[in-house]
Amino acid sequence: EDQVTQSPEALRLQEGESSSLNCSYTVSGLRGLFWYRQDPGKGPEFLFTLYSAGEEKEKERLKATLTKKESFLHITAPKPEDSATYLCAVHPTPGNTGKLIFGQGTTLQVKP
Amino acid sequence: EPEVTQTPSHQVTQMGQEVILRCVPISNHLYFYWYRQILGQKVEFLVSFYNNEISEKSEIFDDQFSVERPDGSNFTLKIRSTKLEDSAMYFCASRALAGQYNEQFFGPGTRLTVL
Repeated sequence: EDQVTQSPEALRLQEGESSSLNCSYTVSGLRGLFWYRQDPGKGPEFLFTLYSAGEEKEKERLKATLTKKESFLHITAPKPEDSATYLCAVHPTPGNTGKLIFGQGTTLQVKP
Repeated sequence: EPEVTQTPSHQVTQMGQEVILRCVPISNHLYFYWYRQILGQKVEFLVSFYNNEISEKSEIFDDQFSVERPDGSNFTLKIRSTKLEDSAMYFCASRALAGQYNEQFFGPGTRLTVL
């Protein structure tokens, strides 16, 4: 069964304290791995797509990496506005309907 | 910047009533989705829709659920007879034609409360 697990469930950082969020996945095959940001009461906001092991993507203070079993979202020198829930989702094979399987998310709180 | 929109933002209904949740996907997108998120739980896939038909549905998407694209812009989710356990945030998403860059863009959600 395709499965996505994120850790930790919650993370509290001081402003400027870098850290990483983990997303482990078990799928028969991977079409793509996606990171989203979700603010309370809002829809997921797209951040990154990763397709193959070794791939990296960066956006401002965020960098996403991918291996054959997991993905990391590295947050460098976070600011309070980075506080949100970060969701990892996979688009597994077979099929190309685009069905995403989500992890439960990591809720990040950055204190000033 | 194009975005997915959803109406209403909050819907309150009585158990057993029918509800229709509405979405306007990004205009040049061809794949459409509904997901739901029960409070404190994961985002769960409900259904995908392409070329005017359902391409995949989950076990959650039983006979009480239906989807429709009544015109060139709207995409709707109907729940025929709501149950208490249908209370959740419902998200619509869309993506462009299949290919390398197949990320889905989500709407702001409709909070459905069944009393």
